[in-house]
Amino acid sequence: GQNIDQPTEMTATEGAIVQINCTYQTSGFNGLFWYQQHAGEAPTFLSYNVLDGLEEKGRFSSFLSRSKGYSYLLLKELQMKDSASYLCAGLSYNTDKLIFGTGTRLQVFP
Amino acid sequence: SQTIHQWPATLVQPVGSPLSLECTVEGTSNPNLYWYRQAAGRGLQLLFYSVGIGQISSEVPQNLSASRPQDRQFILSSKKLLLSDSGFYLCAWSVPAGDQYFGPGTRLTVT
Repeated sequence: GQNIDQPTEMTATEGAIVQINCTYQTSGFNGLFWYQQHAGEAPTFLSYNVLDGLEEKGRFSSFLSRSKGYSYLLLKELQMKDSASYLCAGLSYNTDKLIFGTGTRLQVFP
Repeated sequence: SQTIHQWPATLVQPVGSPLSLECTVEGTSNPNLYWYRQAAGRGLQLLFYSVGIGQISSEVPQNLSASRPQDRQFILSSKKLLLSDSGFYLCAWSVPAGDQYFGPGTRLTVT
């Protein structure tokens, strides 16, 4: 199958670090995307990992381990505006289709 | 730079009425185009994708259809809406094997 699993909800405190995990159960993915979606808005692209390892972009980093079918999004120095849903999506191998998880809703408290 | 437009932004339609949602992309040629639906509190479901004019792949059986009459235009249609068609409809574009970028979305409520 092509399941993408991520926690439904997480909470964290302003200024803290949070890690959102994503696991996938197929060898048919050619990369892993992370999107941010604020309530009522369209998703916006955060990161794309095609090789194993950590990609850092400012306060956000994304990690991929293809052998373990595992990725995480790391958010540092959390701000209130980081409260949003974070969507993990796998790029299907040999097609350009993204398979999305149901998203993790992150709430940042002061 | 590339931009993607969707309209209308919101729509309220009665059950049984037709539907037409439009998506256009600017600043790129021969993009891959996608239609997704996001029901309340649920993940994104891919409905259709297109790799070129007139080339449409349907991902789920339903009463919706899609057309791509021009390179950068993607239309989602229905002849008769169902209550279950309510949701947030998102159009996206990408270059082959590239990042997908989403339009602003259309919130459809079927009453």
